[in-house]
Amino acid sequence: QSVLTQPPSVSAAPGQKVTISCSGSSSNIGNNYVSWYQQLPGTAPKLLIYENNKRPSGIPDRFSGSKSGTSATLGITGLQTGDEADYYCGTWDSSLSVVFGGGTKLTVL
Amino acid sequence: QITLKESGPTLVKPTQTLTLTCTFSGFSLSTSGVGVGWIRQPPGKALEWLALIYWDDDKRYSPSLKSRLTITKDTSKNQVVLTMTNMDPVDTATYYCAHFPADMVRGVYLDAFDIWGQGTMVTVSS
Repeated sequence: QSVLTQPPSVSAAPGQKVTISCSGSSSNIGNNYVSWYQQLPGTAPKLLIYENNKRPSGIPDRFSGSKSGTSATLGITGLQTGDEADYYCGTWDSSLSVVFGGGTKLTVL
Repeated sequence: QITLKESGPTLVKPTQTLTLTCTFSGFSLSTSGVGVGWIRQPPGKALEWLALIYWDDDKRYSPSLKSRLTITKDTSKNQVVLTMTNMDPVDTATYYCAHFPADMVRGVYLDAFDIWGQGTMVTVSS
């Protein structure tokens, strides 16, 4: 059971927009930055978003992040088949540990 | 260019101690504003953070695994070593090490793992 709650799966058609939620509490998301990772099949995770809404160099602006209270959201616009992957949110917890969500599998129909 | 690579045994027996090495390049753990973490992922399951070591040798551990974990660094070899005692089949997973950077202009850590190693699969079985 992960500390952060994500929907197990989401799906949308190519070209459409999808959002993935990440729910936590005041001991983690509520008082810390959220990051998002993309894990393509058979590969290591890749950082998409840090500090709630910042994109590392090379990450297209189709990917966006936001945070409100104890929840965070990853948005992906202009969906491509290559976006099919597992997506994870992460943050710090008041126990001074890093916590991740359970992951969300994105299917591009 | 920052790269990290994990190495260690692919198979360990229950009750044994696992020792994994993360060898990195492109940065130094003797330079302020950087850390290296370990994260694992059981087959078909979610990511689980294990430990983090900072440039100044400050360390953080997963509360649920703290009693079994030790993280150390060898700055001369550009390596970080993770040991996990009393291995069990439930510890079967891919183990990743990852770079934990800071924004030196603002003087804050980014609170994210920006570069990951390829991972190493460890199976615990007798």
